[in-house]
Parts: sequence; C-alpha cells; structure tokens
Amino acid sequence: AQKITQTQPGMFVQEKEAVTLDCTYDTSDQSYGLFWYKQPSSGEMIFLIYQGSYDEQNATEGRYSLNFQKARKSANLVISASQLGDSAMYFCAMREFFTGGGNKLTFGTGTQLKVEL
Amino acid sequence: SAVISQKPSRDICQRGTSLTIQCQVDSQVTMMFWYRQQPGQSLTLIATANQGSEATYESGFVIDKFPISRPNLTFSTLTVSNMSPEDSSIYLCSVRDFKVETQYFGPGTRLLVL
Repeated sequence: AQKITQTQPGMFVQEKEAVTLDCTYDTSDQSYGLFWYKQPSSGEMIFLIYQGSYDEQNATEGRYSLNFQKARKSANLVISASQLGDSAMYFCAMREFFTGGGNKLTFGTGTQLKVEL
Repeated sequence: SAVISQKPSRDICQRGTSLTIQCQVDSQVTMMFWYRQQPGQSLTLIATANQGSEATYESGFVIDKFPISRPNLTFSTLTVSNMSPEDSSIYLCSVRDFKVETQYFGPGTRLLVL
C-alpha cells in the first residue's frame, strides 16, 4: 500500500481564490510528522508547513494551512488567496518516527498546481 | 533555517563515467541525506550520510553505485558511478533540523547521462 497518496495529479485555481490539495497517508506508527513542499520548475524543494501527529491544532504558515484529520489519515494543504507564483508541483511527505529509523521522508507523487488569471 | 548549496547545479555526462556531487551546509548538522528524483517522479531516499561512520543505504541502493563521503559536520559528497541513462535524475542533498522538526533541501543537481 502507498504510504502517501495524492490523488490530484493536476489542479487549476483562479488567482486570489483558495485551493485545497489532498493528501492521505498510511502508517501504523503512533508518532509521525507530515510535511508539504513546493517544487517550482527550477527544481528546488521549498519547505512549506509541518504537522506533528500529536499536535492538537492545525498548522498554519502565512497563506498555508494544513487541514489535519487524524482519524481519516488526511493532511490536506490549503492555500488561501492564490498567487501566480504559487504555480508549482506540491508534494506531501511523511516521517515515521519508529519505522525505518525515523529519518526517512516518504513522498507522494505530487500535485501540479496552476494558478490562472 | 539551514542554507544548503550543491555543486554542480547540472551536468551532462557520458555513460560509464562517474560524477561526484558536493553538498555544503552553513551550519553543523548530525545527519545529511541524499535523495533522487527521476524525471516526472517523486523523491526517493538514497542514503543517510553520518559523520564518522559508513552511510546507511535504502533498499535498492548500494555503496558501489552511490559511494558517499561525510568528512565533517557541514559537508558531504555523493558519487554516481558507472553511469547509465537510467541515472538521469535530480539529486538532492537534505538536512534535518531537530529543533523545529523541519527538513531542508539543497537546490539539486540535474544530471543527464547520454
């Protein structure tokens, strides 16, 4: 089974609108962390936001927020007030703190976001 | 946040040759990681580079193909040996910040093997 599933290969959003990028995960670890990264066409991986499995509140970083639903094993990224510069590939990733030594990040297949005028 | 640089940023190589990628971090870090991103794919961990000990390789990756050095707490190299076109990928260096539970990536090295 896939550990990280991103079911949206591509998404379109109009500038200034909000968009939600889906991510579901599968783990038997009680302690884990979830990450979102942005990868522009230049190829760099830009860290956006982190959510720990024991964090009671949803993480927020500026225009980014993580909708964490632990029982559903989902960690969706919400981008508010989309900008043209948000057009990029977005990856969800998970670190399991017990499985595999706790250092490996497992990535989903990514969602290509295109922001339109 | 950690600032990571990689050299070279890109290269075109002939099959059968080897390329060494350098990764420099602006602060001392315990662990450095090497990831590979094949064209149109997601990232896959190659190995964890530990200072003062052998690197730890993930399933499917071997030391003879991807030798790694970690001479100090701010520097690591990854060599891609005896290259074939299937090695054409982006190779990314990464470090973990234990204090704020974040993981940073370098700008990547784009490798094309002909």
